[in-house]
Amino acid sequence: GENVEQHPSTLSVQEGDSAVIKCTYSDSASNYFPWYKQELGKRPQLIIDIRSNVGEKKDQRIAVTLNKTAKHFSLHITETQPEDSAVYFCAASYTGNQFYFGTGTSLTVIP
Amino acid sequence: DAGITQSPRHKVTETGTPVTLRCHQTENHRYMYWYRQDPGHGLRLIHYSYGVKDTDKGEVSDGYSVSRSKTEDFLLTLESATSSQTSVYFCAITSIQGNTDTQYFGPGTRLTVL
Repeated sequence: GENVEQHPSTLSVQEGDSAVIKCTYSDSASNYFPWYKQELGKRPQLIIDIRSNVGEKKDQRIAVTLNKTAKHFSLHITETQPEDSAVYFCAASYTGNQFYFGTGTSLTVIP
Repeated sequence: DAGITQSPRHKVTETGTPVTLRCHQTENHRYMYWYRQDPGHGLRLIHYSYGVKDTDKGEVSDGYSVSRSKTEDFLLTLESATSSQTSVYFCAITSIQGNTDTQYFGPGTRLTVL
């Protein structure tokens, strides 16, 4: 099956700085890569996703990049704000029916 | 939130007792999933369903069984709960629209096995 690795496990940034979270996957057949944000005590919420026919996708302060050759994808958050503090999960899917998750990154934005 | 609810939201039980968690969805999604979430492990798939009476195992299925007798309900059963099954359990669905598929999560059930 697919194996998704996520780094770093914890990340602290000053408010206004950028944050980058990286994931690698093992199965070259994977073609869909969502990112979820989970606030304390809440459910994971989809924040952005990318499919294998696209190299980059942006939504306001959030962007995701995908390198299919190297089998890695990254989440970029610019101009971080305290409300960006949460745990972020990456995932990979090749069937659309099974999703494989990274172990999460706890992001703290320091005011 | 894709019309997903879970019950109960919190449960405390004792080792050796049976426990059933319920996931209910109102939007007729075909695919439903049960995950457990533990610190350092992220979200791990327990079982999933691709239709009524059609289920399959995930990576951490030992000690769990599931049933889906109706499209809207997916039940997770711990036949004899153990302390290692203390966790937060999330139900999820895959919403398929055209050639895109997106996974959404329920609110979670916090289970404590004493």
